Amino acid sequence: DAKTTQPTSMDCAEGRAANLPCNHSTISGNEYVYWYRQIHSQGPQYIIHGLKNNETNEMASLIITEDRKSSTLILPHATLRDTAVYYCIALTQGGSEKLVFGKGTKLTVNP
Amino acid sequence: NAGVMQNPRHLVRRRGQEARLRCSPMKGHSHVYWYRQLPEEGLKFMVYLQKENIIDESGMPKERFSAEFPKEGPSILRIQQVVRGDSAAYFCASSITGTETYEQYFGPGTRLTVT
Repeated sequence: DAKTTQPTSMDCAEGRAANLPCNHSTISGNEYVYWYRQIHSQGPQYIIHGLKNNETNEMASLIITEDRKSSTLILPHATLRDTAVYYCIALTQGGSEKLVFGKGTKLTVNP
Repeated sequence: NAGVMQNPRHLVRRRGQEARLRCSPMKGHSHVYWYRQLPEEGLKFMVYLQKENIIDESGMPKERFSAEFPKEGPSILRIQQVVRGDSAAYFCASSITGTETYEQYFGPGTRLTVT
């Protein structure tokens, strides 16, 4: 599975959009981009995933560049409860299925 | 639909004792994963099981750790003769079979403290 690179930390004002970038320049054609987050001491939470097209659900939007070398997770109206560590993971469909968590991005939403 | 359940939520064991951690997957899910998070560290994969089968145990320590997911009942992660270094949060996740992609849904974790 491709390695992903994320900024260590980011800040965002409450009510504003939080845009979390992820670089996955070595991603292969059958690897999906998954996003999870871990709010302090809780179990990780699945957010969204995509292959090539942009995706949106009730939690977030995922924008994947045309060359698939990077993506951005967008939380449209961040709240204090969105403060968490966000993980971007490249995962091969039908592969081992184990999630390899890197260090992620610590997002702090400020009032 | 209840989420992934783990019990106990907190477990204290003395060095040398056994720890048994239980995980009940979401209804309809037949894949179970165990992850460990040591204090101030990231989440690390331990083992992936389907009913009655261990599919990938590449992250399991070679000694003292074992896992099972029987035909009936929860998945069990067993740690024998615990040591202080086993103190960590252990998370279980489950996923559904038969779909194209594999979102994993995590439980609240079991915090193991070895004294």
